[in-house]
Amino acid sequence: EPEVTQTPSHQVTQMGQEVILRCVPISNHLYFYWYRQILGQKVEFLVSFYNNEISEKSEIFDDQFSVERPDGSNFTLKIRSTKLEDSAMYFCASSLGQGAHGGELFFGEGSRLTVL
Amino acid sequence: GESVGLHLPTLSVQEGDNSIINCAYSNSASDYFIWYKQESGKGPQFIIDIRSNMDKRQGQRVTVLLNKTVKHLSLQIAATQPGDSAVYFCAEIMAGSARQLTFGSGTQLTVLP
Repeated sequence: EPEVTQTPSHQVTQMGQEVILRCVPISNHLYFYWYRQILGQKVEFLVSFYNNEISEKSEIFDDQFSVERPDGSNFTLKIRSTKLEDSAMYFCASSLGQGAHGGELFFGEGSRLTVL
Repeated sequence: GESVGLHLPTLSVQEGDNSIINCAYSNSASDYFIWYKQESGKGPQFIIDIRSNMDKRQGQRVTVLLNKTVKHLSLQIAATQPGDSAVYFCAEIMAGSARQLTFGSGTQLTVLP
């Protein structure tokens, strides 16, 4: 069964450092997403990406964050100058279509980021 | 303010019994709802969805009911099994925000032997 894969599974970084989280979406999917989940809290939307550009982002996704699809398979989330409050599980997701008519989102297993 | 929320943070049921997990939403513009299951250390897993023009949808052992009058949806799991133990989230997509899901806080379902 096709799946979304994420690397690394866990990353520990010092405050102020840059972090890149990587995702390989399902190969025929067209829409890509990043979500985060702070420990014990709900899953929060960060950004959606389609046709090589951001299609929607939340207020959490400020200038500290960026996304990129550097090649035909990877989808990355970069966090510049990490802060303690960036510590969370980051989930990548992909879907074939969009929104209510696009079918389900498939989520990866997540990348746990710990900022010290 | 939070648009989607869960009534109860935890639910314990005996194996073989039916489970009902509830969710309230406040945005009448929401037109698509999804239930996700999240096992410890894993990403959300799609269970079942329902569009706002429907009241009920059934899947394998699961049923989602949508009451738009009181902005409430529920997930019913028939013959609950140990493998059903997880956190269950309801999520919504609002009309005009086609790609964004807003997740509720989640309910921890524990299946007792």
